Amino acid sequence: NAGVTQTPKFQVLKTGQSMTLQCAQDMNHEYMSWYRQDPGMGLRLIHYSVGAGITDQGEVPNGYNVSRSTTEDFPLRLLSAAPSQTSVYFCASSYSGWGSNQPQHFGDGTRLSIL
Amino acid sequence: AQTVTQSQPEMSVQEAETVTLSCTYDTSESDYYLFWYKQPPSRQMILVIRQEAYKQQNATENRFSVNFQKAAKSFSLKISDSQLGDAAMYFCAYRRNTGNQFYFGTGTSLTVIP
Repeated sequence: NAGVTQTPKFQVLKTGQSMTLQCAQDMNHEYMSWYRQDPGMGLRLIHYSVGAGITDQGEVPNGYNVSRSTTEDFPLRLLSAAPSQTSVYFCASSYSGWGSNQPQHFGDGTRLSIL
Repeated sequence: AQTVTQSQPEMSVQEAETVTLSCTYDTSESDYYLFWYKQPPSRQMILVIRQEAYKQQNATENRFSVNFQKAAKSFSLKISDSQLGDAAMYFCAYRRNTGNQFYFGTGTSLTVIP
């Protein structure tokens, strides 16, 4: 059972480069989200999606784009990397039923360094 | 937006002792869900325990239990018989009944002293 799969696990970029962080889940979850984790700041929501074709901004969306063409995949794009985007990125998914106590399932994270 | 506060950035406990991690949250809703996640050095986010707000009984999972005080909007995690493998960052999280978003606290780093 794969759960949530994130790739790559580590990446180093130069300022101005672009890249896509991949996220896939095999649990048929409607809700998917991207977080960044920085020391002392916990997990901050970047973007989220409640289903294929539907995305919305979270708390810290600037500098990031997302799309959701299928239920399974939710890639995060950095169009022009900046040192402030150095962070650990987590993708998560969950069942989105009303009144659900189901938790979010997380990928293993991507450590991204921008030089 | 809901806010979740973990006021203890760092905690330590002797092996085999008990420790309590604090979490408070701000909400005007009556139905919601609360979670504790553990993040060991491997970086994985692992669900420890969950609590439904409509349940008066505190959730327990083996050595882990919560003290849920709805009126005080408090959701603390108690770890009994602490083990070296409990050393990790612990995050408290809130989810609305009517939405999908999870709101996380800033985390508490737990050190277990042999």
